[in-house]
Amino acid sequence: DIVMTQSPLSLPVTPGEPASISCKSSQSLLQSDGHNYLNWYLQKPGQSPQVLIYLGSNRASGVPDRFSGSGSGTDFTLKISRVEAEDVGVYYCMQGLQIPITFGQGTRLEIK
Amino acid sequence: EVQLVESGGGLVQPGGSLRLSCAISGFTVSNSWMHWVRQAPGKGLVWVSRISNDGSNTRYADSVKGRFTISRDNAKNTLYLQMSSLTAEDTAVYYCARWSSGAVDIWGQGTMVTVSS
Repeated sequence: DIVMTQSPLSLPVTPGEPASISCKSSQSLLQSDGHNYLNWYLQKPGQSPQVLIYLGSNRASGVPDRFSGSGSGTDFTLKISRVEAEDVGVYYCMQGLQIPITFGQGTRLEIK
Repeated sequence: EVQLVESGGGLVQPGGSLRLSCAISGFTVSNSWMHWVRQAPGKGLVWVSRISNDGSNTRYADSVKGRFTISRDNAKNTLYLQMSSLTAEDTAVYYCARWSSGAVDIWGQGTMVTVSS
């Protein structure tokens, strides 16, 4: 199974400041089609997860442009350019390259 | 509106069975591969199972293999998860989700399954 490791696990951020979450996979997520099968999700308190970024760097529909994804192979990063109060929740990376699909442990973003 | 609505959760005794349903609307069901993902209370997301668009290809997490069965009825726009030999470790919110463009892109609101005597 592909192991996904996120850091940090807790991320206190002042509104308006940037934030960054790292996700590392135990195997390369770069497929022969040129896509990295790495996705980012946000689970707001009391809600279902919602996709933010798919295939490594593509922002999902309706996601604010302050969110961006980068990386390739085994190292990926989610960046929030300016954190807002509504960004509070748990962020997960997920690999969709092979079954079983696996998730990172989650990073809890809180507002200072 | 694209929507996934799970139902069928509840309290069940250890060793018991339960069938979850996921009502699908707002997109062409027969084109979509579907998944079940669960989340134990206060814990992270764990993938459970996947089914191809026509139901011919299914996969399971090792933790549920042989106990859970995923199926679908495209005519009824419904996804199912039949769960048996349930243990306390199966206690979780169960989400159905759609696979698209290399990602799980649409999630239901979840249904809670509690295994307890």
